[in-house]
Amino acid sequence: NAGVTQTPKFQVLKTGQSMTLQCAQDMNHEYMSWYRQDPGMGLRLIHYSVGAGITDQGEVPNGYNVSRSTTEDFPLRLLSAAPSQTSVYFCASSRVWGRWGYYEQYFGPGTRLTVT
Amino acid sequence: GQQVMQIPQYQHVQEGEDFTTYCNSSTTLSNIQWYKQRPGGHPVFLIQLVKSGEVKKQKRLTFQFGEAKKNSSLHITATQTTDVGTYFCADTDGTQGGSEKLVFGKGTKLTVNP
Repeated sequence: NAGVTQTPKFQVLKTGQSMTLQCAQDMNHEYMSWYRQDPGMGLRLIHYSVGAGITDQGEVPNGYNVSRSTTEDFPLRLLSAAPSQTSVYFCASSRVWGRWGYYEQYFGPGTRLTVT
Repeated sequence: GQQVMQIPQYQHVQEGEDFTTYCNSSTTLSNIQWYKQRPGGHPVFLIQLVKSGEVKKQKRLTFQFGEAKKNSSLHITATQTTDVGTYFCADTDGTQGGSEKLVFGKGTKLTVNP
């Protein structure tokens, strides 16, 4: 299993450009999420999905779109990049099991995005 | 929305010293997860606590969940240089429903002097 993969690893964009960050998982997990990580801010949830065709907003969704057409893929689209979107982006997948709702999130290696 | 406060923000220790990070909330936590992120790496799941007063151990790491489910701690005994990284706690956002929606603390960055 490759786990959670993300591409690209690094990206530089100019203000106003658009792009898609790719995320894929091969563990057949129902849940997938996108986070951004900024210095001193921890991880903040952007969007998440509980299954193919179902997505919802997280804490900081503005400026980002997602879709989930398959269980495996969960791309994140930046519509019009802004310097405030300079960050490290992590995709994660998880499944729930057991009586107590145990689950763990598996994170991808991240995409380091710089918007100039 | 729910907030999870984590202290301290930074901790520097000599190798062999103990280390503790705390996670606090003003509201009852649904459950607590702990993650470790090495410098330049991605978060890696360590453990999940779900029951009031729960204590779990993983070798030199001890995780506790408060009786009132409003706080949690991670204690590392006799730190090693391999423990370097940032430790995050996370809770599910119960107000929005769904265990897939995590709220992370800002993390405690641990450095270890050999």
